[in-house]
Amino acid sequence: GQNIDQPTEMTATEGAIVQINCTYQTSGFNGLFWYQQHAGEAPTFLSYNVLDGLEEKGRFSSFLSRSKGYSYLLLKELQMKDSASYLCAVPLKDNKLIFGAGTRLAVHP
Amino acid sequence: DSGVTQTPKHLITATGQRVTLRCSPRSGDLSVYWYQQSLDQGLQFLIQYYNGEERAKGNILERFSAQQFPDLHSELNLSSLELGDSALYFCASSIHSTGSEAFFGQGTRLTVV
Repeated sequence: GQNIDQPTEMTATEGAIVQINCTYQTSGFNGLFWYQQHAGEAPTFLSYNVLDGLEEKGRFSSFLSRSKGYSYLLLKELQMKDSASYLCAVPLKDNKLIFGAGTRLAVHP
Repeated sequence: DSGVTQTPKHLITATGQRVTLRCSPRSGDLSVYWYQQSLDQGLQFLIQYYNGEERAKGNILERFSAQQFPDLHSELNLSSLELGDSALYFCASSIHSTGSEAFFGQGTRLTVV
């Protein structure tokens, strides 16, 4: 079967750094996506990792370790607008794009 | 704006009724996904179409059906509606059938009363 695990909630302070973890168990691997979703809005694409290592994109970076079934999203210089849910997603071999339950991040002043 | 258009934005209907949700993918995208998101829940994969053919099926109820037309727009039909079907229904599109970024529409908020 397949499973994606993320922490349910996290809190952080404005200006700080936060790391959101995602572990996955799938029968095949075809990359891992991170999306951001503000309440009641559509998810928006943040990153896609298919090879091991760190991909940096501005204030957001994403890391992948295929051997460990592990990824994280690193958010630097946190801003209030970063308060949102962060979703980890894995495309399966049978073409399903499966999402984790999401991590709700609250950024405080 | 992701380029994915969903209509209607809001829909209120009674139990037992049938509704159709519509999705127009981004120009050039061949793949369409449908997801259900209940209040404070994650995105539940329903079904995927690629270039007019069903490619993957999730835990979609038998009361629900979908199709993708030759012009690549897709419709999700929900019948014999129940209170528990109230949710946000998202459509997403991507270029390939797997492994490419999916762009989401703004969703249709369905309320069953």
